[in-house]
Amino acid sequence: EADIYQTPRYLVIGTGKKITLECSQTMGHDKMYWYQQDPGMELHLIHYSYGVNSTEKGDLSSESTVSRIRTEHFPLTLESARPSHTSQYLCASSSPGTAFYEQYFGPGTRLTVT
Amino acid sequence: GENVEQHPSTLSVQEGDSAVIKCTYSDSASNYFPWYKQELGKRPQLIIDIRSNVGEKKDQRIAVTLNKTAKHFSLHITETQPEDSAVYFCAASTGAGGTSYGKLTFGQGTILTVHP
Repeated sequence: EADIYQTPRYLVIGTGKKITLECSQTMGHDKMYWYQQDPGMELHLIHYSYGVNSTEKGDLSSESTVSRIRTEHFPLTLESARPSHTSQYLCASSSPGTAFYEQYFGPGTRLTVT
Repeated sequence: GENVEQHPSTLSVQEGDSAVIKCTYSDSASNYFPWYKQELGKRPQLIIDIRSNVGEKKDQRIAVTLNKTAKHFSLHITETQPEDSAVYFCAASTGAGGTSYGKLTFGQGTILTVHP
């Protein structure tokens, strides 16, 4: 089934650990995005990608990094997790078939750094 | 860059009443305005969108209006039901034009509660 997947769904990890949040989509979309969302509210764009080997920083400064080696895969990495990184991270992709790029979201990863 | 303001932050209505959520945007080049609904613990999902070449769009109980001159757009939900309870986000984009490449700028969100 065409969808966008994120793993893990929940992660509790200690300060200083390196983590990678996975995002994959099977919809053939070329644009992908990472958002940070504090509980219940505002979505902040932290990274986006136009296609393979293209990544840009978003509107909210983030210590995370991303890569786009394959069209369907857009992982996010935190080299050294801190309690301030505790949040929900949502991955999204957008349709290449329209001029307006409707975005489709994954289920999210809820990260807690202790 | 674009800035989107959304009001109110919380909205409580009785079942059957109407609900209206309003957003303003700053970039006059924005031409695509989607609305997303996020239920508790779920992912945001697109419920309706409007392009700058129309002033109003309706889909069953949901409608969106756009005033490009005033740079504001609104979501209207009629005959509200308890299952409409969720967080609603507006967003703005310049679409495929310029350098935005489909980036969305979201409003702050509105928590809608529909009481039975």
